[in-house]
Amino acid sequence: SQQGEEDPQALSIQEGENATMNCSYKTSINNLQWYRQNSGRGLVHLILIRSNEREKHSGRLRVTLDTSKKSSSLLITASRAADTASYFCATDAWGNDMRFGAGTRLTVKP
Amino acid sequence: NAGVTQTPKFRVLKTGQSMTLLCAQDMNHEYMYWYRQDPGMGLRLIHYSVGEGTTAKGEVPDGYNVSRLKKQNFLLGLESAAPSQTSVYFCASAASHTGELFFGEGSRLTVL
Repeated sequence: SQQGEEDPQALSIQEGENATMNCSYKTSINNLQWYRQNSGRGLVHLILIRSNEREKHSGRLRVTLDTSKKSSSLLITASRAADTASYFCATDAWGNDMRFGAGTRLTVKP
Repeated sequence: NAGVTQTPKFRVLKTGQSMTLLCAQDMNHEYMYWYRQDPGMGLRLIHYSVGEGTTAKGEVPDGYNVSRLKKQNFLLGLESAAPSQTSVYFCASAASHTGELFFGEGSRLTVL
């Protein structure tokens, strides 16, 4: 079964607004990663947060991790049309492999 | 560097045919993975490898076989293709099982 579950499944916002996506998982993890996928392309790594970290920033991205609730959020600030993509969380809870959720499809309208 | 390269990018098969997808990485990564992506399902792990000569099953291994004879290559085989295997297949590699995954651009397979 999939380890991560993203919420919402789809999100549509205006350029300049912030976008927040959430990920819930089921078991203990070493780290949680967020990936981005443009339509028809492979996934690209955005950010990794370790289980002993609570928040991490990278440019316009902010990721939080709450291990007590087994959840993470990805915030994209001041969104741009180019941020339109699907976003996935992935965890390593199953040992030697990484498992992904179904993703959040973000549309940023110009 | 090319990163992770998948071949072929597109393939159409008839039910019962066999084929092999090739994944090659030039980053000297130990870990390699094959995922399939279906609409609304996200990515599901088929098989993975933690090093040359090793393979292991993922979430949805049935109907697929893999081999890792060389560290840089990870092959995914379909012995007898079925319409349910119509999907986009992604290969990924990583330096460790907790590290960043590097993905190929995908192979779109249609089974008629």
